Amino acid sequence: SAVISQKPSRDICQRGTSLTIQCQVDSQVTMMFWYRQQPGQSLTLIATANQGSEATYESGFVIDKFPISRPNLTFSTLTVSNMSPEDSSIYLCSVERQGLGTGELFFGEGSRLTVL
Amino acid sequence: GDSVTQMEGPVTLSEEAFLTINCTYTATGYPSLFWYVQYPGEGLQLLLKATKADDKGSNKGFEATYRKETTSFHLEKGSVQVSDSAVYFCALDTGRRALTFGSGTRLQVQP
Repeated sequence: SAVISQKPSRDICQRGTSLTIQCQVDSQVTMMFWYRQQPGQSLTLIATANQGSEATYESGFVIDKFPISRPNLTFSTLTVSNMSPEDSSIYLCSVERQGLGTGELFFGEGSRLTVL
Repeated sequence: GDSVTQMEGPVTLSEEAFLTINCTYTATGYPSLFWYVQYPGEGLQLLLKATKADDKGSNKGFEATYRKETTSFHLEKGSVQVSDSAVYFCALDTGRRALTFGSGTRLQVQP
């Protein structure tokens, strides 16, 4: 199994500011995924981050709003830029369980952001 | 596009009751189907999966059968325990290696 640590676990932010969420994995992984879970809603994929290449964003998400870094095979960051109250969500980092087929993901505990 | 629909919660049951959480999906091709669970204060974790029609996934007393004809993957357990209280997410993967999730169903089991 993979152990995923996310920081911060929660934060309260002011409108217009930016916050960077860190995701650290205890083993090397090829693909890392960033999801968002808005209050009372499902998880939505923001982007897929591969080491050494630009992140691939899903429809409705753009790099200027959610820049992602992936400097090595165990670490990634997601920045939520110019925040508004609509960005209040839980942001989750996940990685694929290697060698066991598609879809089996490990998740961090999430970063709960509240934007005032 | 791909989508997953789950029954709304919360579902409140007494200990040892039978559990069913409904899940239906819309997808192109032949997706793999999953149930993930999130216990209080913990991250999501895989509960069970099925990769083709008529497959049954099972784990910890939970079962779900991949029904292609009804595009369903309902989660069942014969006798729930208080420790099963959690949020359950149905999800699918069409080979993109990222998941499409349902909205989650909160289960509360009372002693």
